[in-house]
Amino acid sequence: AQSVTQLDSQVPVFEEAPVELRCNYSSSVSVYLFWYVQYPNQGLQLLLKYLSGSTLVKGINGFEAEFNKSQTSFHLRKPSVHISDTAEYFCAVSDLGYGGSQGNLIFGKGTKLSVKP
Amino acid sequence: DAGITQSPRHKVTETGTPVTLRCHQTENHRYMYWYRQDPGHGLRLIHYSYGVKDTDKGEVSDGYSVSRSKTEDFLLTLESATSSQTSVYFCAISSSETQYFGPGTRLLVL
Repeated sequence: AQSVTQLDSQVPVFEEAPVELRCNYSSSVSVYLFWYVQYPNQGLQLLLKYLSGSTLVKGINGFEAEFNKSQTSFHLRKPSVHISDTAEYFCAVSDLGYGGSQGNLIFGKGTKLSVKP
Repeated sequence: DAGITQSPRHKVTETGTPVTLRCHQTENHRYMYWYRQDPGHGLRLIHYSYGVKDTDKGEVSDGYSVSRSKTEDFLLTLESATSSQTSVYFCAISSSETQYFGPGTRLLVL
């Protein structure tokens, strides 16, 4: 069975500082990996995804993540955060499915990023 | 914008009453999903559908049923709501191996 661990439930950081949100997963099969962002009282928005190809993935709002298969990690990074990045971030993993079916998403429990002035 | 709407957006109900949440999509996607979001748990899959009248259970399906009689609509029913079903419910569709989410329904069961 797949699982996703987000190692930090809360990350406080000052504006313009770099940030890394950590995500590790376990799976016995090849996976797709995703980061979603949820702003207060809103739905989930796709930030970036890894399906195949380059292991360094760039997303919206200046975020990027690197897929590390040997470490089973998919950490999210941003070199300089803004107040507007304050939100909850969710890592998710999906297997590739089989027989034309879609793999189901397994979510981590979320990391709350708080950017302080 | 994946063309997903959810209704109602907010609902307060009493324990023991039936509740139906609706998810509507405009882009003819085959796969649709219902999740619940609770603090400290992330999102957990309740049920999903892979076509009209084709549904399957997810991780937390007890107390929930679903129906999909048309491609565009996926209904989630709580037959007899309990306080433990107080949550935020999200619908999602799948497109190109990626799930996109609706705005959510906030349900309070008193």
